[in-house]
Amino acid sequence: DQQVKQNSPSLSVQEGRISILNCDYTNSMFDYFLWYKKYPAEGPTFLISISSIKDKNEDGRFTVFLNKSAKHLSLHIVPSQPGDSAVYFCAASGTSYDKVIFGPGTSLSVIP
Amino acid sequence: GAGVSQTPSNKVTEKGKYVELRCDPISGHTALYWYRQSLGQGPEFLIYFQGTGAADDSGLPNDRFFAVRPEGSVSTLKIQRTERGDSAVYLCASSSPGLGNTGELFFGEGSRLTVL
Repeated sequence: DQQVKQNSPSLSVQEGRISILNCDYTNSMFDYFLWYKKYPAEGPTFLISISSIKDKNEDGRFTVFLNKSAKHLSLHIVPSQPGDSAVYFCAASGTSYDKVIFGPGTSLSVIP
Repeated sequence: GAGVSQTPSNKVTEKGKYVELRCDPISGHTALYWYRQSLGQGPEFLIYFQGTGAADDSGLPNDRFFAVRPEGSVSTLKIQRTERGDSAVYLCASSSPGLGNTGELFFGEGSRLTVL
């Protein structure tokens, strides 16, 4: 039973436009949410996180939105760049130092 | 280097053999995690150490899998009687829990295990 879901396996976006990656979760005990980015043959790297007391967190081109009542979060990348092409994982945990559960990932392609 | 180091980067073994995978976390990081990633899937949680003790080992698939971290630094994931289904990339991550922590895990590049 997948606790963190990413229903879009892939997404294609034109360079300069907005990329929106979506994530849903089922466990209401999750309190902390993270996005990771992964290039082939490398480990995932942290992008941005948000705790459940917030509904938005922004870091440069990356913004994460959290809707706790809908158990939904999204990652917005504006403007998208070709170097953003990678697999993006949504992840969740009970606290900021608990075990982290990952979604299956969304492969983003940014077309020049 | 300053990052998480995993060895070997690649391991090919035969079904039924014993395998050890090593993880050297970032110096000073007290938390260490093992994940397994199969093709097209997200990292699957296996076990999490806080210091020397396993804080949560609920992700270990069965008793063929075991992990240790005897001195609270380097960790070894041990797989006995390997099966073809164990083939995956095994990822190690470390973190430094504490006030202001973003919850970020620092991952190594992984150990790719192939069981023939």
